[in-house]
Formats: sequence, C-alpha cells, structure tokens
Amino acid sequence: GAVVSQHPSWVICKSGTSVKIECRSLDFQATTMFWYRQFPKQSLMLMATSNEGSKATYEQGVEKDKFLINHASLTLSTLTVTSAHPEDSSFYICSARGLADPGVYNEQFFGPGTRLTVL
Amino acid sequence: DQQVKQNSPSLSVQEGRISILNCDYTNSMFDYFLWYKKYPAEGPTFLISISSIKDKNEDGRFTVFLNKSAKHLSLHIVPSQPGDSAVYFCAATKRNTGNQFYFGTGTSLTVIP
Repeated sequence: GAVVSQHPSWVICKSGTSVKIECRSLDFQATTMFWYRQFPKQSLMLMATSNEGSKATYEQGVEKDKFLINHASLTLSTLTVTSAHPEDSSFYICSARGLADPGVYNEQFFGPGTRLTVL
Repeated sequence: DQQVKQNSPSLSVQEGRISILNCDYTNSMFDYFLWYKKYPAEGPTFLISISSIKDKNEDGRFTVFLNKSAKHLSLHIVPSQPGDSAVYFCAATKRNTGNQFYFGTGTSLTVIP
C-alpha cells in the first residue's frame, strides 16, 4: 500500500506554545487528507478534511482557529495546534486519499500518528 | 452521535481458536465498510473491507460478514495467532461524500498463546 508519514512522531511542549505536525504522502498524490485525534481507549475522531489548494472543512466542535490546517501541495498537509493547552494532549493521526473519480471509493492510507503532550 | 459502535471493548481468545469482533452501525446510507488493525502509538493499517452489495468477503484468515438488515458486521479471524493481538476498528463510509470515515470505538483483541 501507499505510504504516509508524519513528523514529528512525538512532541512535548509547554502550555501556550504552538506545535506543527506534518503529514506527507510519500509515493502518491493526495488530493484529500484527513486529520483525526484519538484519546486513550477511545475511537478515532475526525477533526477536519483538507483538500489541496482549498480551505479545510472542520467537524462540528473543532475550533478552526485553534487547529490550523494547511494543504499546500498534493503531498503535504500540516496541522498546527495553536496556543496548546494540556487538554490538547492527544494522539493525532492523518490519512491521505489519492486521486479518484467522483463517486468511486478510494482507499485512505494512515500515517503513524503523532503523540502530543502539553505540559 | 456515534454512528458506528463496537460494544465489546476487549476480547481474549486462545491461540488457534476463532476471534469474532462485532460492529454495529446506525446510518443505512453507509455502503462501504472496513476493518483496521492498530498497534499502540501507530496509525491504523487496513485489514479487509466489504461493499454493501456483498454479505461476505474473505482474505486468508480474515473474513468479514455484513448483515445489512441488522446493520451489523463482524470480523472473523481463524485461526487466531498471538501476532493478531491489537486494537481493531471498524469503519463505515458513504461513497460520493468525500470518503469521510466513521470509526467505531475499537475492540482490543488479546490472543493467548
């Protein structure tokens, strides 16, 4: 399957600082990338959907000013957690979907995740 | 609102026996279902999928069954191996909607040697 990488894999930061997480599709062009977060023993919750070259679509309850998403190229999307607080500590996972005809299902490939700990 | 549910948070099975993981969904518009396997601190990896036009899909030791009338799907692993120990998530999606996935809460499978 296609490979999706995330960087960093683990980050610790002080409360009030901003953290940027990168998601890259290494061997395919990703027209759409998804950002999820997972709390311990809970499901993967979709935060936002980003399409290359356009604004991200955020799920209800996700603060777009706090979780800034940029999808500037077909291989890179970034999630910036601004003014991070301890409650933002979580496991953040991205997935990427390649080019597809409308209406045709296309597999999503997941990155390995980023563990964010805010002190 | 949790549209995909996995009511068993954990399951323990002896090596060599069958593991059955269950998943229920509420949205009848879902037409594609997937199972993912996840190890701690790693992203999910795709395991097997099934379209709503089928009721069974088999891939080696893994078989997924879909009962549309009951809005229920299950994953069978036979024979179970210790390396299968992981958290399993089911996911559902509607085609033509940007492929947003709705995940269940996961079932932690432990295969006892």
